[in-house]
Parts: sequence; C-alpha cells; structure tokens
Amino acid sequence: KAGVTQTPRYLIKTRGQQVTLSCSPISGHRSVSWYQQTPGQGLQFLFEYFSETQRNKGNFPGRFSGRQFSNSRSEMNVSTLELGDSALYLCASSSSGTSGRTDTQYFGPGTRLTVL
Amino acid sequence: GDSVTQMEGPVTLSEEAFLTINCTYTATGYPSLFWYVQYPGEGLQLLLKATKADDKGSNKGFEATYRKETTSFHLEKGSVQVSDSAVYFCALSENTGKLIFGQGTTLQVKP
Repeated sequence: KAGVTQTPRYLIKTRGQQVTLSCSPISGHRSVSWYQQTPGQGLQFLFEYFSETQRNKGNFPGRFSGRQFSNSRSEMNVSTLELGDSALYLCASSSSGTSGRTDTQYFGPGTRLTVL
Repeated sequence: GDSVTQMEGPVTLSEEAFLTINCTYTATGYPSLFWYVQYPGEGLQLLLKATKADDKGSNKGFEATYRKETTSFHLEKGSVQVSDSAVYFCALSENTGKLIFGQGTTLQVKP
C-alpha cells in the first residue's frame, strides 16, 4: 500500500497570505489528523477529520481550518499568515470505526511552510 | 489534561552501547502508548506501540513496556547503531484522533 502523501513538500509565503495544504491518506483509512511541528512548541494537534466531519479540534485560532472529501483526502487552510505559522505541518491517517476509537496513526513526510 | 514527559536530550552514545530513553505520562483514561522516530527532513515513523498494561511493544531491536503502576513507557535498545541517530517521540492517545507527544529526545550515535 502507498503511504500517506502530502503536497506540496515546501512552501514559501509572505505575511497576510493564505495557504492550502493537501493530504492523501493510506487507502482504506477514513481518519485524517493534522499536526504542527515547531522547535519551540514541539508537535501540536490541530484537528481530526472522519467521514468528512471534524471530530476533534486542538487549541489553534480560527485562521486554521480544514476539510475532508468523500475519498478521505484532506486539506488544511491557514489564512492571514503570521511569521509564527512557519512550521512543518504533518498529516496522519488511521483506520477508525464509527465507535470513535482511532487505530494507530501513520504519518506523511510533511509540508515545510516558511512565512516571510 | 493528558501529558507526556520525556528525558531531555541530546543523548550521545557510542555504537553498540545500551540505550534507555525515559517516558512518563499522565492520562485521565486508559491510553494507548507509542514511540515514533523522526529522521532528518522526514515525517514521523511508528517505531512501536502498546495498548494495555504490561504489553511490550518491540521493533528493530527496540522495546518498551507499558507500566501502568509507574505510568511509564521507557524505550530501550541493547546495542545502538549509527543509523539509529534520530529524534524519538513518546506519545499517547485516548484512542481518539489526537496524539499527545512528548518534547522529543535527540539521539546521536558515534562510531
């Protein structure tokens, strides 16, 4: 099976712009989670989508949003970029039943976002 | 809230040395525990996991045992190699889509 893929791998944006990142999960996985990794804050959970619905959300401002499509692919969007948004954004997929219990998460290579 | 604490790094070892990276957690429920590894410029790779007390996860010579009484999940390897140099993350999940990570421990193995 192919792993989790993320596009693009690298992005450079300027303050005030917006950006959209894409994640394709492992085939058959219906849960997609997003994380932000920075040297100062480490790995922080952004949100999780399952069957096109946001099921869990971390403590990030409303500038960070996401969505999931019927084929389980997911996108996250950051509007009005700030310098502090520079980070590695990681996507993870897992198989997850309707009970809400999520199995092991498998990560993609990440998208490196630099905000100038 | 739930949290994970790892020993601070960097940890520097000679090849074939014994490795221990300490990890303790606090959780309101009964979480699953994980170790992930991150090589330079890459995403996270699952190293091993355990889902209930006294379970031992193992992979590629690495081992960790879920200790509920001490709320710990220490990572061990009997003989490290240069190729094991990476950042190691301990994490927990209350079986939702949210992983809570420790701060990561950098391991450097010298020949």
